[in-house]
Amino acid sequence: GQNIDQPTEMTATEGAIVQINCTYQTSGFNGLFWYQQHAGEAPTFLSYNVLDGLEEKGRFSSFLSRSKGYSYLLLKELQMKDSASYLCAVMDSNYQLIWGAGTKLIIKP
Amino acid sequence: ETGVTQTPRHLVMGMTNKKSLKCEQHLGHNAMYWYKQSAKKPLELMFVYSLEERVENNSVPSRFSPECPNSSHLFLHLHTLQPEDSALYLCASSQESVSGANVLTFGAGSRLTVL
Repeated sequence: GQNIDQPTEMTATEGAIVQINCTYQTSGFNGLFWYQQHAGEAPTFLSYNVLDGLEEKGRFSSFLSRSKGYSYLLLKELQMKDSASYLCAVMDSNYQLIWGAGTKLIIKP
Repeated sequence: ETGVTQTPRHLVMGMTNKKSLKCEQHLGHNAMYWYKQSAKKPLELMFVYSLEERVENNSVPSRFSPECPNSSHLFLHLHTLQPEDSALYLCASSQESVSGANVLTFGAGSRLTVL
């Protein structure tokens, strides 16, 4: 079967750096997405990786290794507003999105 | 209005009720989706409409009935639901492309409680 694994919950300190990992086993690969979802709000698109390597977008970066079936989302200079759930999703060979259960990130002062 | 708008934001219904969830997108996208989000579970795709035609129905019980009258509007009609159907129902839209980078824009969801 197809599966996406990510930690259920992580805690980090304001101003620090945190890395949220995502591993996947899917039937084919056509890209990996990260979304951010604040409590009670819509998930919003953060990043898309289809080739190996690091994509940087301001304080957020996303890394992909297709050979290892692995991605991470790196958040730098953490702010309280970064407290949210982070959803990893992979597009399989049929262009279907396979979702992880999300990682709840708690930022402490 | 911009983005994807869902109404109502909260709904409480009995198992014998009939209600509908509404979604409207103002982005000119050509595909719309219904997802179910339960606590600590992955998003579950329920229905997809592309160019107003349903292209996927992932074995969703018949008590959920979608309707897509045009490319901007999507409904989910609810009938004789069960308590386990209590969840957040998310609507999303996208502009499908051959590149595969199909970025979804979500609404804030309708929180459904079935008593």
